[in-house]
Amino acid sequence: AQSVSQHNHHVILSEAASLELGCNYSYGGTVNLFWYVQYPGQHLQLLLKYFSGDPLVKGIKGFEAEFIKSKFSFNLRKPSVQWSDTAEYFCAVISGGFQKLVFGTGTRLLVSP
Amino acid sequence: DTGVSQNPRHKITKRGQNVTFRCDPISEHNRLYWYRQTLGQGPEFLTYFQNEAQLEKSRLLSDRFSAERPKGSFSTLEIQRTEQGDSAMYLCASSPLVQGITYEQYFGPGTRLTVT
Repeated sequence: AQSVSQHNHHVILSEAASLELGCNYSYGGTVNLFWYVQYPGQHLQLLLKYFSGDPLVKGIKGFEAEFIKSKFSFNLRKPSVQWSDTAEYFCAVISGGFQKLVFGTGTRLLVSP
Repeated sequence: DTGVSQNPRHKITKRGQNVTFRCDPISEHNRLYWYRQTLGQGPEFLTYFQNEAQLEKSRLLSDRFSAERPKGSFSTLEIQRTEQGDSAMYLCASSPLVQGITYEQYFGPGTRLTVT
């Protein structure tokens, strides 16, 4: 079965610091990868996605992620975080013909002003 | 607002009671998913509908759980004889269905169930 690992469960950064959140998946075939974000009190929103093509994908709010097939990784990055980036971030992979999502356990990011 | 909506947003019930949640997907979306999220975990897949047909169910979905999507529009998730372990956030998501094309899923706000 497919699985997703997010090794950083809690991250605390100061504003303007750079961010990198790790995500590794276990699946050897074609993958479709996502990062979702959940701001406090809000529902899950898509941050960015990778289906094919350029392995460096850009999402909303200055986020980007790089798909490295050889490392089974899809790490999320942002060069300079803001207080408003405080949220929980979930990496997910499509699994199976019905395209259900398999999520990691999430990373809680706290950005201090 | 044309996003995915879920009702109720919060439900507190006593152990042993039955509860029902409703999800209204984005109107043109054929695919509808239910997930469950517990504290400190990512959402876990429960079941999937393609139009009105329930095509996949997770092993997490015990016999006490049943889901329907009678007309291929809204869906309901019922839990019978609730247990404290059922306390969680129940999420609904929808996406379009176009053969051979993958789309992202759009999530609703969830229904938070607390079983006392």
